[in-house]
Amino acid sequence: DTAVSQTPKYLVTQMGNDKSIKCEQNLGHDTMYWYKQDSKKFLKIMFSYNNKELIINETVPNRFSPKSPDKAHLNLHINSLELGDSAVYFCASINFGSGVPGELFFGEGSRLTVL
Amino acid sequence: AQSVTQLGSHVSVSEGALVLLRCNYSSSVPPYLFWYVQYPNQGLQLLLKYTTGATLVKGINGFEAEFKKSETSFHLTKPSAHMSDAAEYFCAVSSPRNTGNQFYFGTGTSLTVIP
Repeated sequence: DTAVSQTPKYLVTQMGNDKSIKCEQNLGHDTMYWYKQDSKKFLKIMFSYNNKELIINETVPNRFSPKSPDKAHLNLHINSLELGDSAVYFCASINFGSGVPGELFFGEGSRLTVL
Repeated sequence: AQSVTQLGSHVSVSEGALVLLRCNYSSSVPPYLFWYVQYPNQGLQLLLKYTTGATLVKGINGFEAEFKKSETSFHLTKPSAHMSDAAEYFCAVSSPRNTGNQFYFGTGTSLTVIP
């Protein structure tokens, strides 16, 4: 069983479209993240949810809207896609419950290409 | 505020030579420090981490890193490079839960191993 799974793995779409990426973790973790990795491999944190509550919301266009229906799921919806949104989006999860972070587990990434 | 600086976006070493990847951090609270590795078209995997205790930490695949508070450094080393070590390496800093659950990644260092 994959610990952190993302779908779809690849997404090619036209400018202006709306798309969603889904993430699920089966590790029982309390915190989930979305990261964006650009073409230079730079990893930028976008959002973090702890027990379904949004705790980190970095400077991200409001076209990006995260949703966490439960602790195990964190989805990312993007409206009005732009060329600059092309990137690899990584979901990650960790258990912060004890106060000392363990391992941040990453999904395999969702490569978004906007044409 | 926390941040991580990785010196050298590209490092090349010969097979069998010492690997040294540099990481310096900035943190207003005692940091938790991590090294992650990313192989092509994959997510990130944990190599090793420092939270408390022994400042020399050993990780997977023969890697180790030493936390030096006086130098605010957490450099990654491996005595003898192997071809399979070629990948992107990321240093990351985090903090205790009550200061935000944030993970900040460096810009990454691409390691090339020359046969």
